[in-house]
Amino acid sequence: EAQVTQNPRYLITVTGKKLTVTCSQNMNHEYMSWYRQDPGLGLRQIYYSMNVEVTDKGDVPEGYKVSRKEKRNFPLILESPSPNQTSLYFCASSIIAPGRGNEQFFGPGTRLTVL
Amino acid sequence: QKEVEQDPGPLSVPEGAIVSLNCTYSNSAFQYFMWYRQYSRKGPELLMYTYSSGNKEDGRFTAQVDKSSKYISLFIRDSQPSDSATYLCAMRAGYSSASKIIFGSGTRLSIRP
Repeated sequence: EAQVTQNPRYLITVTGKKLTVTCSQNMNHEYMSWYRQDPGLGLRQIYYSMNVEVTDKGDVPEGYKVSRKEKRNFPLILESPSPNQTSLYFCASSIIAPGRGNEQFFGPGTRLTVL
Repeated sequence: QKEVEQDPGPLSVPEGAIVSLNCTYSNSAFQYFMWYRQYSRKGPELLMYTYSSGNKEDGRFTAQVDKSSKYISLFIRDSQPSDSATYLCAMRAGYSSASKIIFGSGTRLSIRP
């Protein structure tokens, strides 16, 4: 089954304790992205990657890191989480092709609470 | 001002009604217009997309784009309780699929049996 998986699905942590949210896709997609979803603000892009070892900042990258060492995996790292990073996080992937790629496949989400 | 504005709702209608969901935008460079549906505790999934202006129909769903007014709509005919979800509009400017997609904040829709 074609899918994007994220782990963990729920996480409660404390300020300053480093954490990693994993993301993996099995569709051989070049493009992967991380979003956070907050009430009234919609989905905002954190980081994206167009291929292995190619990453770039989205709209709200401060406080986050990513890496793309393998095509299928795109982990999101919070080196020193703060309460304002409490949010619902989604990983997404899509193909890269002219005129295509409007369909981003989203993972099930990770609800993060930073105390 | 946000690039994409969407009424958050909630919108509650009886089963069988016609539903109209709308978004306005400010960036005239947007060319691709999408509607995603997000069920509770799930990630968004693409419902429909259109390129430039015009209408597109898929079963009970019709997407309309009016670029002159910078206004897009999604119509749902014969609405069903299973249509209850949050609907997010999204749009992007570039021809390349790697260009950034801007999402609306979503409209929560509830269909009453």
